[in-house]
Formats: sequence, structure tokens, C-alpha cells
Amino acid sequence: QLQLQESGPGLVKPSETLSLTCTVSGGSISTRNYFWGWIRQAPGKGLEWIGSVSYSGGAYYNPSLKSRVTISSDTSENHFSLTLSSVTATDTSVYYCARHPGGYGSGKGEFDYWGQGTLVTVSS
Amino acid sequence: EIVMTQSPATLSVSPGQRATLSCRASQSVSTNLAWFQQRPGQAPRLLIYGASTRATGIPARFSGSGFGTEFTLVISTLQSEDSAIYYCQQYNDWPPLYTFGQGTKLEIK
Repeated sequence: QLQLQESGPGLVKPSETLSLTCTVSGGSISTRNYFWGWIRQAPGKGLEWIGSVSYSGGAYYNPSLKSRVTISSDTSENHFSLTLSSVTATDTSVYYCARHPGGYGSGKGEFDYWGQGTLVTVSS
Repeated sequence: EIVMTQSPATLSVSPGQRATLSCRASQSVSTNLAWFQQRPGQAPRLLIYGASTRATGIPARFSGSGFGTEFTLVISTLQSEDSAIYYCQQYNDWPPLYTFGQGTKLEIK
């Protein structure tokens, strides 16, 4: 059974960089045609896709966050990571990692496996 | 960016009855649409993908339909455990620019 687990600091100071890692077990992040994404949810709000990294390491970002986001993968550790720079209080959210199929012309992109989420608070 | 709009914002239905949730896209997404259930304190759970295909382990009480810009999730024979927020998500774009609706809160009276 595929499992995803987020890890990282729960508290980040304003203007600093948020860094999270998603460790995958029960499957490989190199599995062809799968992508590994980050989604966040501000308290009491809806879901926002941050970006995804493909099985081959290519990254795709939400344009609204692109200038501050980097998503990368480490196949040797079977995990992928998120960094979000210059954070403010509006970045306070539960951050989820999730898997989705995808690729040009695939007609796929549904998030089928999710981590439990981790709350990151931006505060001094 | 494709904007997803869900209605109603809140829906209150009695146990055993049927709930109908709507999702509208600002432009056509074909059938590249998914539905999720999120219970309090939990991660979203995939219910439907491809607009109408149930995900693994999802009971037949959940059914999705639609194409283009109008989509519907129907939950029949409502149970107390169906109380949750339901989100739609489109994945039509390539390169990906995935967007979610704002959610419909379903309350079981």
C-alpha cells in the first residue's frame, strides 16, 4: 500500500524559507507516468495546488507561487521536497503531499494518494 | 487559470436521502475532473475521477457525471459518515495548472 508522509518544521519565521519533505513508502517515485505534488490548505479554506515533480524530475508550478517555490526529488531516498521562500502569515497552511498520474495528453491528474498533512505556521 | 465554482456552499440533507452537488468550470475541461471528500482533520480522499469513474474502494452510492463545464456528484442513501466537505478538481491543462473548487459542506441532519 502506497504511503506518503510529510515532515519538516511546524513553525517558520516571516521572510524565511519553508522546507518540507515527503517520504514515500510502498512504491517508487520513479514509477513512470506518475507525478508527486504539494497542495496546501489555509485554516478553514479550500485546497490550492502548489506544484508537482514528475517521475523523471521535471517540475511544474502554480504560476501564483512560481517565483518562490522549488520542488525537487531524490530517487535514492525515495522522497521529494518543497521549498517556499520569503514566507508571510498568508502561507500558514496545512501542507499535503500527494501522488497523481499525468503527462502530456494523458488526460490524467487526479490526486489518488495523500499524506496526512502537516501544519506550518508562519509567525515570529 | 480555470476557475471551478461549486454549489451550494452548504447542503443539509436527512439520512437515507440523496444529495446532489454541482461543480462548474469557467471553460471546458472535458471529463478531466475529480471529486474529493474531506472529513474534519483528515486529508482529502479521492472519490471520482474522469468525471464518472469511482476510485478504488468507493461505494456505488457515490456517482459522478458531466462533461465540459457542468459536473454533478450524487450521493444516495446518505449516512452520517458522509458528513464532510466535498471538492471538485480539474486537471485539464498541460503543463499542469490544477485548480479546485471552493467546496460544498454536506451536513447530515
